[in-house]
Amino acid sequence: EVQLLESGGGLVQPGGSLRLSCAASGFTFNSFAMSWVRQTPGKGLEWISTITGGGAYTYYADSVKGRFTISRDNSKNTLFLQMNSLRADDTAVYYCAKRPIWSNNWYYFDPWGQGTLVTVSS
Amino acid sequence: QSALTQPASVSASPGQSITISCTGTTSDVGSYNYVSWYQQHPGKAPKLMIYDVSDRPSGVSNRFSGSKSANTASLTISGLQAEDEADYYCSSYTGSSTPLVFGTGTKVTVL
Repeated sequence: EVQLLESGGGLVQPGGSLRLSCAASGFTFNSFAMSWVRQTPGKGLEWISTITGGGAYTYYADSVKGRFTISRDNSKNTLFLQMNSLRADDTAVYYCAKRPIWSNNWYYFDPWGQGTLVTVSS
Repeated sequence: QSALTQPASVSASPGQSITISCTGTTSDVGSYNYVSWYQQHPGKAPKLMIYDVSDRPSGVSNRFSGSKSANTASLTISGLQAEDEADYYCSSYTGSSTPLVFGTGTKVTVL
């Protein structure tokens, strides 16, 4: 069974940094693109970033480009999101998600982790 | 890249059918058949229900169907059941500097 477990969320001051992790199990991690998607409290979903299976290619939303960095450690089956220069509007639940096994396209997500809450506030 | 536009809420009685629209532009929905739909129950992670406009992943009920016309995609739920009460989000590949965009979300209420 595929499992994705996010961690690293918490309260951080504006301008601060945080590093999220997503521990994966139940599949061949280095064969799948992985993504981060966030959801603001009571509001909608926003795709943030994707990294290919080998880590060679990364993609970012304009809203986080230059501030967030996605990476992965395939030896530890773990996905990361380094978040710098955090702002109040970065407050959200952050989900990691996997490319579906039946798709070659990274822009579908199945399954998702349970999410980790990041709160940016002074 | 702006979010795709969805109605805030849709409601119907059990057994009825509903259709949720997802309106984009010629830069996203209108140009690519990479439209998907997600279902999200309160406090849970989203679940993929439709991909490539109209395909269903294994295990998803055939009561869920998708379609697209010009810049608008649609999700239809037929034979509405209580368990279908949830939030639904569309998404589309955009080919722009932000290559993926989600919809604003629709709350489905089963009366």
